[in-house]
Amino acid sequence: QSALTQPASVSGSPGQSITISCSGTSSDVGSYNLVSWYQHHPGQAPKLIIYDGSKRPSGVSNRFSGSKSANTAALTISGLQAEDEADYFCCSYSSISTWVFGGGTKVTVL
Amino acid sequence: QITLKESGPTLVKPTQTLTLTCTFSGFSLTTSGVGVGWIRQPPGKAVEWLAVIYWDEQVRYMSSVKSRVTITKDNSKKQVVLTMTHMDPVDTATYYCTKFLGMSRIDYWGQGTVVIVSS
Repeated sequence: QSALTQPASVSGSPGQSITISCSGTSSDVGSYNLVSWYQHHPGQAPKLIIYDGSKRPSGVSNRFSGSKSANTAALTISGLQAEDEADYFCCSYSSISTWVFGGGTKVTVL
Repeated sequence: QITLKESGPTLVKPTQTLTLTCTFSGFSLTTSGVGVGWIRQPPGKAVEWLAVIYWDEQVRYMSSVKSRVTITKDNSKKQVVLTMTHMDPVDTATYYCTKFLGMSRIDYWGQGTVVIVSS
């Protein structure tokens, strides 16, 4: 069982928007604005797409956005494209000086 | 260009010690805020953070492996080494070397190396 809870799968048609939730506790997501999101295509290195809750690294499409409310963070992918089909997982810094991860969400583009 | 590459054995016997080396380039582990850590993903399971070492020698370990794991760095060789004792089949996973920026984020990952624990 993962420390952060994500849906196992989310799907959408090209052009649609989808949102992936990442549920934590007051010891991690709720206490810090240090949630990051990663995109992972099988066989490749995971890629940072959102950090500090809502910031995008240079070069990451603005179709990716992050948000947080209380103990739950969310990643929204707008204008879904075939290349967005991948696994996505969230990460948060935790009050016990560690990092906790979500179980990952498989995004399917229909 | 920042790269991190893991190296080490693919197969380890139960009770043996695993030693993984991360060789990185494109950044310095003497830069303020920078850390290098290890993260693993067992087959079909979630990603799990194991350890990190920072530019100022600070180290942190996941509590459940703290008694078995040691992380060290060699700035001149640009390498970080993870040692894990008393390996068990549950430690079978893909092990990733990663670059940390403070507590904020892991901004780069290696491709990962598969470690299988089996007799």
